[in-house]
Amino acid sequence: GNSVTQMEGPVTLSEEAFLTINCTYTATGYPSLFWYVQYPGEGLQLLLKATKADDKGSNKGFEATYRKETTSFHLEKGSVQVSDSAVYFCALRDNYGQNFVFGPGTRLSVLP
Amino acid sequence: DGGITQSPKYLFRKEGQNVTLSCEQNLNHDAMYWYRQDPGQGLRLIYYSQIVNDFQKGDIAEGYSVSREKKESFPLTVTSAQKNPTAFYLCASSLGLEYAFEQFFGPGTRLTVL
Repeated sequence: GNSVTQMEGPVTLSEEAFLTINCTYTATGYPSLFWYVQYPGEGLQLLLKATKADDKGSNKGFEATYRKETTSFHLEKGSVQVSDSAVYFCALRDNYGQNFVFGPGTRLSVLP
Repeated sequence: DGGITQSPKYLFRKEGQNVTLSCEQNLNHDAMYWYRQDPGQGLRLIYYSQIVNDFQKGDIAEGYSVSREKKESFPLTVTSAQKNPTAFYLCASSLGLEYAFEQFFGPGTRLTVL
């Protein structure tokens, strides 16, 4: 079955540090890949997405590239801010099923 | 503004009582979903619906029920048969079944059973 694996958290960084959160997946067919962000006590918000190999999704300084050869979709940001503190979820949706598969989430804390 | 609303934000119930969580969307989306999130955990799918008057069980449907009488509404009932109902419940919708369509989430309802 489909699955998403994310790096264990929590991740703690200082402001302006470089961020990488690893995400790898297993899926049939050619899935779409997503990163969602969840702030405390809120629902999930779409951060970025990529629908085919080598696509790069980007938003608010975050980027992720769909790497089919390594089945990965790592999230990166060059300079994090305190306001980026949240839980980040990697997810996929394949083109056979209708449903999404989410990773367990990675908690990021950015210290001033 | 289009979006998904869930009410209430916080809900308290006594053990043994059924409780219904509301989810409404004005995005004209066909598909709707209910997830459960426990502290420090990812999302687990409870039920989903692709079209009005049709819904399917997700991974953890036992102790829950849903209805989809209108396109914009997908209420979730947590029954007394659910052994551990205290959790954060998230409703979501997507435009359709096409794999490229993302899900949009509501703000969530935190249910506490006393």
